[in-house]
Parts: sequence; C-alpha cells; structure tokens
Amino acid sequence: NAGVMQNPRHLVRRRGQEARLRCSPMKGHSHVYWYRQLPEEGLKFMVYLQKENIIDESGMPKERFSAEFPKEGPSILRIQQVVRGDSAAYFCASSPNRDSPREQYFGPGTRLTVT
Amino acid sequence: AQKITQTQPGMFVQEKEAVTLDCTYDTSDQSYGLFWYKQPSSGEMIFLIYQGSYDEQNATEGRYSLNFQKARKSANLVISASQLGDSAMYFCAMSPHTSGTYKYIFGTGTRLKVLA
Repeated sequence: NAGVMQNPRHLVRRRGQEARLRCSPMKGHSHVYWYRQLPEEGLKFMVYLQKENIIDESGMPKERFSAEFPKEGPSILRIQQVVRGDSAAYFCASSPNRDSPREQYFGPGTRLTVT
Repeated sequence: AQKITQTQPGMFVQEKEAVTLDCTYDTSDQSYGLFWYKQPSSGEMIFLIYQGSYDEQNATEGRYSLNFQKARKSANLVISASQLGDSAMYFCAMSPHTSGTYKYIFGTGTRLKVLA
C-alpha cells in the first residue's frame, strides 16, 4: 500500500510566479490536511479538506493561497504570486476517517524555494 | 488557547543512555490525542508514538515511551538506549477534538544529538 505521495519534492519559483503542490493521499483515505514548516520551526496547520469540500481553512493566509481536493485526482495547494516568505516545506497528511485522529499519515513534503 | 510547548531547543545524550524530551500542552478539550514525530535531516515526518487523553496506561513503542501526566498536562518522550540514528528533530503534537477537524498542533521541536 503506497504511502502519501507529494510532488514535486523540490520546487523553485521566482517571486511573482505561481506554485502548485500536489498531494495524493493513501488509498482509501478521503481526508487531507496541509501543513507548512518555515525554516527552523514546527509544522503549522493550514487547511483540512475532504473530497470536494474545504472543512477547515483557519490556518490559510487570506490572500494568494488556495486548496482543493477534487472528486478525482490529487489535492492541490496553490500559491499565487509567490514571495520569499513563502519559502518553506509543505507537508500533507491523509486520514481514512476523522474519528480516528491517530491515523494521520504524512507525505515526504515539498520544499518550496522562492528566489 | 491550544498550544504545545517544547522548552528544550537542543539536547545531547551519550550513545546507549536514555533521554527525556519535554512536552507540555494546553487545551480545554477533554478528549485529545498526543503524538511524537521524528524529523531526520532528510526532512520526512516519522510517527513515533501516540497517547489518547483517556488512555490510563503510558504508551510504549519499542525504545520509545510516553510519560503522560494528565494533571500536569505533560507528555514527555523517553528514548531508551539511544542510538546514533536517533539524532534528529523531535516534535510533540496534539490533536484536540474541537469542531471535528482533528488538525495537529505542533511544538517548535527539540534537536537531539546522540554522541558516540
């Protein structure tokens, strides 16, 4: 059973470009969480999605950031007009059932560098 | 406010000795989960151990044990017989059961260095 997959693993963007980060949850998982880890810090919750629904986006910056989890395909975290402060590692985690909080499985992360 | 506090930015331990990494938490939820993750220099997040707020026994997973003191709101990680491969960042996390989202709240981490 493949784990949570994220791609790309490393992404370099110039200021003002768009970044698209993809997360394929584990098979059978319908819940996806996105977290951001700034350099030398812990992970911070961004958004929680189920298929076709955003459940909790309380950690998302109000501008430039959006997330989706379509019926088919991976979850996408989209950052428009990136700035240097967006440079971070972005992790997604998936869960089969929100009543099982111990079961959040993390992907390997995408390291975004904004030049 | 929901918060995780890890007060040790860095720790050293001699190989084969035990080490305790501190974690305190703050939540008004009665039901929550506590987790420890290891992040080696390669960057991935490796799940180590889980403790539920209603679990009466301290969790153990191989060389890892979680010293859960509910009244003190602490969830310290104990690593026995440290190995060189244990050198990494360690994060404590909490999942309060608020609003049904089960998002994790992470601490700032402790960098552990195991000395030969």
